[in-house]
Formats: sequence, structure tokens, C-alpha cells
Amino acid sequence: GAGVSQSPRYKVAKRGQDVALRCDPISGHVSLFWYQQALGQGPEFLTYFQNEAQLDKSGLPSDRFFAERPEGSVSTLKIQRTQQEDSAVYLCASSLTFSNIQYFGAGTRLSVL
Amino acid sequence: DAKTTQPNSMESNEEEPVHLPCNHSTISGTDYIHWYRQLPSQGPEYVIHGLTSNVNNRMASLAIAEDRKSSTLILHRATLRDAAVYYCILKSNYQLIWGAGTKLIIKP
Repeated sequence: GAGVSQSPRYKVAKRGQDVALRCDPISGHVSLFWYQQALGQGPEFLTYFQNEAQLDKSGLPSDRFFAERPEGSVSTLKIQRTQQEDSAVYLCASSLTFSNIQYFGAGTRLSVL
Repeated sequence: DAKTTQPNSMESNEEEPVHLPCNHSTISGTDYIHWYRQLPSQGPEYVIHGLTSNVNNRMASLAIAEDRKSSTLILHRATLRDAAVYYCILKSNYQLIWGAGTKLIIKP
């Protein structure tokens, strides 16, 4: 079956540009997570959705980061006015419910020049 | 948040068992211990998890200390495809709390 799909795989942005990263979770998975992974580090939690409800956004580093999941399926992570420190791999994961195993996509590598 | 501590890297020979240690001395009673691995340019992949008892699945075994302050992931017969960064993670409610992981190097 299809796993978690993320697009684009790579994104290069000029400082100050807005970017949008897409996540297609596994069909039927209620829970969706976004993580940020800096080079050589473990992933860090950004935000969590249960269906369309964003239940936890405590990990978003600034108000330039915004995530949505309007129909409880596909999610988009938007970063406004990108900065160099936003360069990282952004990972999306989904799980059947919040207590189940999380399945990860391959990530989007964002490079801000 | 509870944290985990792992060696930065470990080496093992192909077709030999590998024991990857993890310390989590501040674990709370309801935290699950999860292990994921990440191959280069890929997303993390679930390996195994447990709460108190030792666990086995087709990929690995997880040995959990009686006081739950440490655990060990056991790969019974490592292959070159097992070369990856292995993360020991505490799961509290829905949150996965990641450490820096252990880079496992497999020598042919």
C-alpha cells in the first residue's frame, strides 16, 4: 500500500520567499505530525493534527510557520519569509491514532540561500 | 521532557549480533520506549517498541532493564542493509522525544 508521500523532495528558496510543503498521509490515518530535522540531529516535533484539528503547535519555531489540514487528510506546512536558519529536512508522519506507530515520509529538504 | 542518551557511533561486523544501548534515567511510568532507524536520505522507519517487558519482532529484539532506566536494541544478525542511524525515543502520549541517535557502521 502507499506510504506517506511528501512533495517536493527538495526545495531551494531565496531568503524572504514563502514556501509550501505538502504531506499526503496514509489513507485513513487520523493523526498527522510535522517534524524538523537539522543536519546530524534527531527530528524535532513541530505540530500535531487529529483529523483537521491542530491540537498541538507548540514546536513551531516562530509565527512564520503555519500548518493546516483542512479536510483531515492532506496537510501543508507553510513557511513565510524564509530565513537561512529554516534550512532543514521537514518530515511528515501519520498514524492510525495518536497512540499507534508513526509512519514517516522521506521528507522535504529545504535549503534557504 | 525525558531524554535519551546513546553512543554517537558503533561498529559491527556483518552477520554478527549488535547490541545498541540507550539510557533514559528520567523516564516516567507511562513513557513507552520506541526505536526507529533512519537510512541516508530517507525518513525514519519504525523498528520496535515496549513498555516494561522484553519484546521481539522480525526486525529486532528490545531488552528493557527492570528499573526501565535503560534499554538495549538487539539486531541478531546484522547485514550491510542495517547500516543506519538508530534512535532510541521516549513516547509520551502522542509525542516522540528524540535523541541524537547512534550511527551504526557495518563492516563487511
